[in-house]
Amino acid sequence: GESVGLHLPTLSVQEGDNSIINCAYSNSASDYFIWYKQESGKGPQFIIDIRSNMDKRQGQRVTVLLNKTVKHLSLQIAATQPGDSAVYFCAEAGSARQLTFGSGTQLTVLP
Amino acid sequence: DTAVSQTPKYLVTQMGNDKSIKCEQNLGHDTMYWYKQDSKKFLKIMFSYNNKELIINETVPNRFSPKSPDKAHLNLHINSLELGDSAVYFCASSQGPAANSPLHFGNGTRLTVT
Repeated sequence: GESVGLHLPTLSVQEGDNSIINCAYSNSASDYFIWYKQESGKGPQFIIDIRSNMDKRQGQRVTVLLNKTVKHLSLQIAATQPGDSAVYFCAEAGSARQLTFGSGTQLTVLP
Repeated sequence: DTAVSQTPKYLVTQMGNDKSIKCEQNLGHDTMYWYKQDSKKFLKIMFSYNNKELIINETVPNRFSPKSPDKAHLNLHINSLELGDSAVYFCASSQGPAANSPLHFGNGTRLTVT
């Protein structure tokens, strides 16, 4: 079945440094990928998405990279700020028409 | 301005009780969802409705029954609550199918069954 996983459950970075959060997926038929940010006590918040016909997409301070060959997705956050501390989820969707979430990475920004 | 709102935010109840969680979205979206997040933060889809019709029903006990009176509302009713039902329940909506458009989530309902 479909599964989405993350390499690291926790990540600590110094304020101002860049952060990279990784995600592996197993369904080669997945064609739509999303990164979400979840702060404590809140629901997941959309950050950025990418379709399988692209390998890179940039937003404000964030970049998503998609490597379909190895079924790997990453989220890069530039100049990480304290407000970036949260749990980050990757999610993928394919023929099942539903979004499957990974287990999440806790990002902690150190002062 | 709340896009997806769900009530209550916290719900504490005893085993065996019946409870409901309400969800409303003002985004004009066609599709709504219920997700369950366990203590390890894992998010799993429970139900999906499109224009008031059920389109996804994952392996969820039939004690859980979604109700969609109109496309802006998707309520979740739970009968005979069990300890294992304790979790955070998120409502979400999307403009189109999840395979094509991002989901917008509410802030969750933390259900505690004692």
